[in-house]
Amino acid sequence: DTEVTQTPKHLVMGMTNKKSLKCEQHMGHRAMYWYKQKAKKPPELMFVYSYEKLSINESVPSRFSPECPNSSLLNLHLHALQPEDSALYLCASSQDQVGDTQYFGPGTRLTVL
Amino acid sequence: ELKVEQNPLFLSMQEGKNYTIYCNYSTTSDRLYWYRQDPGKSLESLFVLLSNGAVKQEGRLMASLDTKARLSTLHITAAVHDLSATYFCAVVNAGGTSYGKLTFGQGTILTVHP
Repeated sequence: DTEVTQTPKHLVMGMTNKKSLKCEQHMGHRAMYWYKQKAKKPPELMFVYSYEKLSINESVPSRFSPECPNSSLLNLHLHALQPEDSALYLCASSQDQVGDTQYFGPGTRLTVL
Repeated sequence: ELKVEQNPLFLSMQEGKNYTIYCNYSTTSDRLYWYRQDPGKSLESLFVLLSNGAVKQEGRLMASLDTKARLSTLHITAAVHDLSATYFCAVVNAGGTSYGKLTFGQGTILTVHP
């Protein structure tokens, strides 16, 4: 099973809302990633968790807050977002962080009004 | 800083024709990936290339890697409409504070028409 699941598929939120994106994998992978992808652009790495610890934070604004409750779950908490944060948010996982193939989830399409 | 460049960025092909997408990268790496993305969808892993001279083929797609030239190619043979998608190459950072991070090329939007 090489499946990464993400919920919700679509999310519309106002700039004052608080919401969370959820990602789950059951492949025993120990590295999990959040990416942001704008239309017609490549994915941009936001965060990496390795063995449930934050290992890379690509200078992401604090209105994005990642959380890794256990080795299978990854959350992204959203608060006070801006319209320019509207994008496709992709979760990925890999066996470990060191260059292994990353398997991507279907993504959450986020619109900030 | 690792930079990855693809060309062409847009490719309009006729069915049945052959073409090649190029991926150049700026610093040493020991892994290169090719991904496919359909509109509004996620990324699907196509190939992982691990060593100089590596060649992998799946159906009408063949990928190769030349680590000395820091170049990978994705060759499309006898294109069909189903291959229409965006193709990304991605290179693994081999050192520094971003060790293990994937850096993506800009993507090549491929359209195959009759």
